[in-house]
This record gives sequence, structure tokens and C-alpha cells, in this order.
Amino acid sequence: ETGVTQTPRHLVMGMTNKKSLKCEQHLGHNAMYWYKQSAKKPLELMFVYNFKEQTENNSVPSRFSPECPNSSHLFLHLHTLQPEDSALYLCASSQEHRGWYEQYFGPGTRLTVT
Amino acid sequence: DQQVKQNSPSLSVQEGRISILNCDYTNSMFDYFLWYKKYPAEGPTFLISISSIKDKNEDGRFTVFLNKSAKHLSLHIVPSQPGDSAVYFCAARRTGANNLFFGTGTRLTVIP
Repeated sequence: ETGVTQTPRHLVMGMTNKKSLKCEQHLGHNAMYWYKQSAKKPLELMFVYNFKEQTENNSVPSRFSPECPNSSHLFLHLHTLQPEDSALYLCASSQEHRGWYEQYFGPGTRLTVT
Repeated sequence: DQQVKQNSPSLSVQEGRISILNCDYTNSMFDYFLWYKKYPAEGPTFLISISSIKDKNEDGRFTVFLNKSAKHLSLHIVPSQPGDSAVYFCAARRTGANNLFFGTGTRLTVIP
């Protein structure tokens, strides 16, 4: 595997379910990000992890819970979501010495909350 | 309030002609700008970037121009090819921050 991978690619869940999104980067990067893309809106940053430590939480509701067990893996745990949380969730990574700003994205997970 | 704006949701260009995608921003603290390209069912792919100390950066068929006084940047693709058909996102980084601010994207269609 190369680059940034995300699983699952599609997820349908009810409002009472608990599910997790997984991201893995094979680039040796030390920073990872979760973004949300809703229809006709710009990508919104949700969380940032630098060297496994969360450095940014962009006012995300607590029903979204990130986890970064190591610098290659990032999870987004979901529980009691709302229909308006349906969106494309993108994971990205970057490497400090190249600058935080050049981020590499995974293909995303298309989430539908019913 | 959206700090990075792409006011044209779509653009159609004939193959071989120039494509010009525009982006405006409001935050004068932005010091680095990027363009990403996104195909359906894929994540955004980094295309080209420019630092605020420059006004032009070129990479093959792609050139990004930055006009700091107007808070405007543009991406030129010449000559345009059908494979360039995708959604293009403009993004900006604020000095000292590691998050990017994205525009809503412009869908480019290159007609063979």
C-alpha cells in the first residue's frame, strides 16, 4: 500500500450506532488530520495530531472522538450521530520538514447517517 | 465566514486552450497557498503551491500567480487536456498554523 488509505470507503449507520473510521499513512509523516466535506461547503478541519498528540480540535462535537495510537494510524470513532453529519470524511498527513502545509489526502469515507 | 473563496463553481474549456481558475482570500495573515485537484471517488491531490514572497510559480503546464495587494491567486493550465477535468480546490495557510483553509472548489471540464 502506498500513500494514505482509508477504510471503509462507504458507511451507512443509524443514529444509535457506534462505528469507527480508520486511516493509515505509509509516507513516514508525523502529522495527521481529519477533515469533513459536506455538500457545497469547503473542507473543514476537524482534528490535528502532531507526533501522536492532538494539537487542534476545531470545535467538533463530542460525538466525534479521534484516536491516534501511533504516527501511522488515525481513527475517528463515531457515536449517536445526526443526519447532518452525513458527509465525506477525509484523512490527510504531512511531514514537518517539508512544511505542515503540503498535506496528502486519502480517498475519504462517504458517511450516511440514517 | 469563508476566508478562501472560489466564486466560479464550474468552468468549461476547449482542449488545447488555457484554463484559468481563480481564488480570492480575505485573511492577510495567509503566507502560503496551494492548489489541489480532486477526481471523483478520490481524495484531493496536491498540484502546485506558492509562497507569499513570490508572485509566480510554474510547474510544467501549471502556473500559479499571486497578487497579494488584491488578495487574489489564479491557476493557469496551458494547454488544457481532457485528463485535467476535475474539481480544483484553492487552499491557504496562516503563518504559524498547521491547518489549511479551503475554497469550495471549481469543477473544470476540458472538452476534447
